[in-house]
Amino acid sequence: RKEVEQDPGPFNVPEGATVAFNCTYSNSASQSFFWYRQDCRKEPKLLMSVYSSGNEDGRFTAQLNRASQYISLLIRDSKLSDSATYLCVVNRGYSTLTFGKGTMLLVSP
Amino acid sequence: DAGVTQSPTHLIKTRGQQVTLRCSPKSGHDTVSWYQQALGQGPQFIFQYYEEEERQRGNFPDRFSGHQFPNYSSELNVNALLLGDSALYLCASSDGGRGNQPQHFGDGTRLSIL
Repeated sequence: RKEVEQDPGPFNVPEGATVAFNCTYSNSASQSFFWYRQDCRKEPKLLMSVYSSGNEDGRFTAQLNRASQYISLLIRDSKLSDSATYLCVVNRGYSTLTFGKGTMLLVSP
Repeated sequence: DAGVTQSPTHLIKTRGQQVTLRCSPKSGHDTVSWYQQALGQGPQFIFQYYEEEERQRGNFPDRFSGHQFPNYSSELNVNALLLGDSALYLCASSDGGRGNQPQHFGDGTRLSIL
């Protein structure tokens, strides 16, 4: 079993749609959690950290359930510029990151 | 404020050769981590350097080695290159003294093995 598993993609949605990404992790000792965004042939960029209390940044909402080792990302009112690959990332400690394979999002007009 | 910088941006090598990739961390960061990203996959952790020593290592063979200099910059060396080493190599930096902080990535070096 992979340490971080994400929904296989791609997700094709129209502009304005709401889309949800799911992720599970296997190491219960994982310490912190993030969503990164990666554009084609570019480096990953931090989208947001994920906390057990849930957190929101504009149109983006992230949730963490430590008991079920589950992480989610919700994007509301999708924009064309949201098209990218979304990477679920778990920190095992000392800022050593374990990445999921990524889920590609394609937002169409 | 310069972010993480990597060089070169692209590199083409042949099987059996050796390669050195370079990384300068973001200003104020003292920890450098290296990742390998194959096409269609998420980045995989290679190793991390802190205080000029390898602090953590992922599941990569000894052909992959590194170094960190007193100014916190780092090198990744790969010996006896294989076709499967073709990938995007990413360097990330963080502040090692502040625990589990998110990492900032450089643009990467795209390595192609012929």
